[in-house]
Amino acid sequence: DTEVTQTPKHLVMGMTNKKSLKCEQHMGHRAMYWYKQKAKKPPELMFVYSYEKLSINESVPSRFSPECPNSSLLNLHLHALQPEDSALYLCASSQDELRYNEQFFGPGTRLTVL
Amino acid sequence: GDSVTQMEGPVTLSEEAFLTINCTYTATGYPSLFWYVQYPGEGLQLLLKATKADDKGSNKGFEATYRKETTSFHLEKGSVQVSDSAVYFCALSGVSGGGADGLTFGKGTHLIIQP
Repeated sequence: DTEVTQTPKHLVMGMTNKKSLKCEQHMGHRAMYWYKQKAKKPPELMFVYSYEKLSINESVPSRFSPECPNSSLLNLHLHALQPEDSALYLCASSQDELRYNEQFFGPGTRLTVL
Repeated sequence: GDSVTQMEGPVTLSEEAFLTINCTYTATGYPSLFWYVQYPGEGLQLLLKATKADDKGSNKGFEATYRKETTSFHLEKGSVQVSDSAVYFCALSGVSGGGADGLTFGKGTHLIIQP
């Protein structure tokens, strides 16, 4: 199984809502990532989990809260988002943090904040 | 810091034409290099990779060679198809630990193949 799955595929939320994005992989990978991608732009790194510990937080606003319940699952909790947070949120995983390991991406969650 | 520069396009070609998408990078040491492809409404798919100088990555008729002397990783395909229409991202994974820094992406090249 070389797949990274993400749910939901689409999400529309108001600025006062709380929602969560979910990501799952069954490749035995020990590093997982959240990226944000705006239209016609490359993905931007938000968070890195390595062996279930948060290792990088790219100064992302606190309205985004990551969680890694176990080595296969990665969540992104959303609260009090702004319209400019509307984007495609991509989850990725890799065998570990070493530079030569490719990252496998999920299909993404298309988020719209009203 | 690390950076990747690639032609942004859009690049429009006719079916069966030869494709080159240029990619150059700036990085400390010996990064790993990747090409990813993104079809409309989808996530990124790894197309090919190279982890050391002079390595050639290849997949589905696409090729790219890691050239340290010119800090380049140009993507080529001998005969493109309409189904190759997509956005192509060149990316690197830095010497400080690819995962720890995530991937550094170029801005992406939108490729349009006309029948």
